[in-house]
Amino acid sequence: KAGVTQTPRYLIKTRGQQVTLSCSPISGHRSVSWYQQTPGQGLQFLFEYFSETQRNKGNFPGRFSGRQFSNSRSEMNVSTLELGDSALYLCASSTGGEPYNEQFFGPGTRLTVL
Amino acid sequence: AQSVTQPDIHITVSEGASLELRCNYSYGATPYLFWYVQSPGQGLQLLLKYFSGDTLVQGIKGFEAEFKRSQSSFNLRKPSVHWSDAAEYFCAVGSSGGSYIPTFGRGTSLIVHP
Repeated sequence: KAGVTQTPRYLIKTRGQQVTLSCSPISGHRSVSWYQQTPGQGLQFLFEYFSETQRNKGNFPGRFSGRQFSNSRSEMNVSTLELGDSALYLCASSTGGEPYNEQFFGPGTRLTVL
Repeated sequence: AQSVTQPDIHITVSEGASLELRCNYSYGATPYLFWYVQSPGQGLQLLLKYFSGDTLVQGIKGFEAEFKRSQSSFNLRKPSVHWSDAAEYFCAVGSSGGSYIPTFGRGTSLIVHP
């Protein structure tokens, strides 16, 4: 099986712009979670989608949003980018029966905000 | 609120030596506990997890971890370290009730000397 893929791998944006990141889960996986990883805050949970519905949400502002499509692919959107949004954004997929099922991570998208 | 502490930012060991990475958590009930490894430029890989039952958990790559409720700890161990084990290690806790919000420690960077 192919692993979790994330596109693009690298992205450079300027403050005030918006960005959309994409995640394709492992075939058959119905849950997709998103994480932000920064040197200052570490690894933080953004949200989890299961069967096109947001099932769990971390403590991030409304500028961070996501969605999941019927084929389980997911997108994450960040609007009005700030310098502090520069981070590695990781996507993880799981079978999804329970949110704590084993997650398989993608390589991440490195976002740089100038 | 749940939290995870990894007291050691860096640990250096010689190849072939034993390893113990510390993890302490704060959570009101028995949590779901995980150890992940992240190699440079890659996403996270699950090493092992604890939900219930036997407090000594075996994982991949020769790692094991022991859940000690009285100490709120979930330390990761390996009897003999290989150079390929050099990576960043993350301990994580997931709530066992209500919304599932995984919380990660800040990570421990393992350096292996030949």
